[in-house]
Amino acid sequence: GENVEQHPSTLSVQEGDSAVIKCTYSDSASNYFPWYKQELGKRPQLIIDIRSNVGEKKDQRIAVTLNKTAKHFSLHITETQPEDSAVYFCAAYDGNKLVFGAGTILRVKS
Amino acid sequence: KAGVTQTPRYLIKTRGQQVTLSCSPISGHRSVSWYQQTPGQGLQFLFEYFSETQRNKGNFPGRFSGRQFSNSRSEMNVSTLELGDSALYLCASSLGDRGGSPLHFGNGTRLTVT
Repeated sequence: GENVEQHPSTLSVQEGDSAVIKCTYSDSASNYFPWYKQELGKRPQLIIDIRSNVGEKKDQRIAVTLNKTAKHFSLHITETQPEDSAVYFCAAYDGNKLVFGAGTILRVKS
Repeated sequence: KAGVTQTPRYLIKTRGQQVTLSCSPISGHRSVSWYQQTPGQGLQFLFEYFSETQRNKGNFPGRFSGRQFSNSRSEMNVSTLELGDSALYLCASSLGDRGGSPLHFGNGTRLTVT
């Protein structure tokens, strides 16, 4: 079955810096890759997603890139702000279910 | 549009008991998925229901079961509770497209087994 690995597990950045979170997946048939943000005590919320026929997608300060050949995808957050502090999860849809990475705790220091 | 609603928010049970959790999806969503979230294991897939049928199942023991009703509302049941079942149980609804569609999560039910 699909396996998703996510790195780093913890990331601390200074306000205004960029943050990058990377994920790799094992099943080449996976075709949908969403990213979720979970603030403390709250539900995971979708922040951006990408399908396998697209290499990059941007939404304001957030972008996701996908390399199908290498089977990895990354989340890029520019000009980080304190409210970006949260746990971020990547996921891969293998045709049956969404498989999540273990999560990255992002801390933005002001 | 109302979001995904899960009840109850908190539950405290003792070992050996059983528990039922409820989830009401977003109107128009036919798929309901359940996930277990723990600090050490992240988000683990339990099962998915689509149009009242279990479409997919994760690697959990048979003590974990679910069902979906004709109005797409879903329930999850855990029998013979163990201490290790303590977790946040998240329900998520989606359109259920086979190509993958965004999951919309509820606030979860925090289950504590003592």
